[in-house]
Amino acid sequence: EIVLTQSPATLSLSPGERATLSCRASQSVSSYLAWYQQKPGQAPRLLIYDASNRATGIPARFSGSGSGTDFTLTISSLEPEDFAVYYCQQRSNWPPGITFGPGTKVDIK
Amino acid sequence: QVQLQESGPGLVKPSETLSLTCAVSGYSISSGYYWGWIRQPPGKGLEWIGSIYHSGSTYYNPSLKSRVTISVDTSKNQFSLKLSSVTAADTAVYYCAGIAAAGNSIDYWGQGTLVTVSS
Repeated sequence: EIVLTQSPATLSLSPGERATLSCRASQSVSSYLAWYQQKPGQAPRLLIYDASNRATGIPARFSGSGSGTDFTLTISSLEPEDFAVYYCQQRSNWPPGITFGPGTKVDIK
Repeated sequence: QVQLQESGPGLVKPSETLSLTCAVSGYSISSGYYWGWIRQPPGKGLEWIGSIYHSGSTYYNPSLKSRVTISVDTSKNQFSLKLSSVTAADTAVYYCAGIAAAGNSIDYWGQGTLVTVSS
């Protein structure tokens, strides 16, 4: 079973600052990694799929990179609405399944 | 616009079976995508429960596999979750979801429904 680890657990930043979130897989997931944003009381929203592709309607300030076991989500300049919890997610071929990382909370400094 | 809506009891007694249905609108469930369930205990992270393709092929989280059944009804454009022998640890917000390419990304989410397990 592939385990995803996210760091840091919490990131305290100010609006306008750059956020760099990390997701590490216990073994290679190729580029099958996605990122989600979740705000309190809401369902998660897809931001990035296949490691670096922005989902429909996602602002350009969100970008993803990486392959294999190390991945990064970057928010180039934090907007007030970006303070939320971010999860990474991978899919495995065998056994077929989906796993999530534990999440990184981006809060206001 | 694809929309998913969960429905089912918000309170289930311990040892009983949790049953939820997800109605899909704006997209034919037979056209593609996998359809699945994800849950989130209060204040905690996300856990994949399982997925189904319109053909009926299913994939379950190994930790829940013995208790989970996911089925699809293409005539009603909906799919369902049954989780048996529930305990307080199964209390969570349950989301239904539309999943691309067997799990590359979860493109569509329902709003979520809180299910509490309590006597």
